[in-house]
Amino acid sequence: NAGVTQTPKFQVLKTGQSMTLQCAQDMNHEYMSWYRQDPGMGLRLIHYSVGAGITDQGEVPNGYNVSRSTTEDFPLRLLSAAPSQTSVYFCASSYRTGVTEAFFGQGTRLTVV
Amino acid sequence: GESVGLHLPTLSVQEGDNSIINCAYSNSASDYFIWYKQESGKGPQFIIDIRSNMDKRQGQRVTVLLNKTVKHLSLQIAATQPGDSAVYFCAEWGGANSKLTFGKGITLSVRP
Repeated sequence: NAGVTQTPKFQVLKTGQSMTLQCAQDMNHEYMSWYRQDPGMGLRLIHYSVGAGITDQGEVPNGYNVSRSTTEDFPLRLLSAAPSQTSVYFCASSYRTGVTEAFFGQGTRLTVV
Repeated sequence: GESVGLHLPTLSVQEGDNSIINCAYSNSASDYFIWYKQESGKGPQFIIDIRSNMDKRQGQRVTVLLNKTVKHLSLQIAATQPGDSAVYFCAEWGGANSKLTFGKGITLSVRP
């Protein structure tokens, strides 16, 4: 049982490039979400999903897309990277909506130059 | 022990003392209030939660207090240990809108 696995751990992108941050969980959790963490800003919700085939926007969705084709995977796509997207990204999962215990991955540190 | 609000970034306590971390929340409609701990280089980890209809809940060495009158949440850590050094976040579960909203976090530093 690996929990929540994020790849890659580190990434450097040039402005305008696109990429996908991968997130997979093996706990059969219904609820998955993506956060970004910036100094002094705490964790801000980007997108979330309450189950396969269902996604919704969080607090800071602009510049990011998500999809949830399976229960296990919840990739985050950066469409055209900008320096403002330099951040640490965390994926999290919970057993279901309304459960307060979220399990987080180790994070992806992204730098956009 | 010492207490400090989340407007101050760092709380420093002596090993063995009690720590009190405070948080002010804004959404009275939240169903749950939660504390997470984030160690350096890791993702946040759930510590304890409290439902909005309760005012106190105890865990192992931790107690969470909820004062709905003044919209205040606190985390008390008994006999603080070096392993408690981390950033602590309070969070709210938005209920029907299914969102976990985090505060900005405070660093707890334990002096040996």
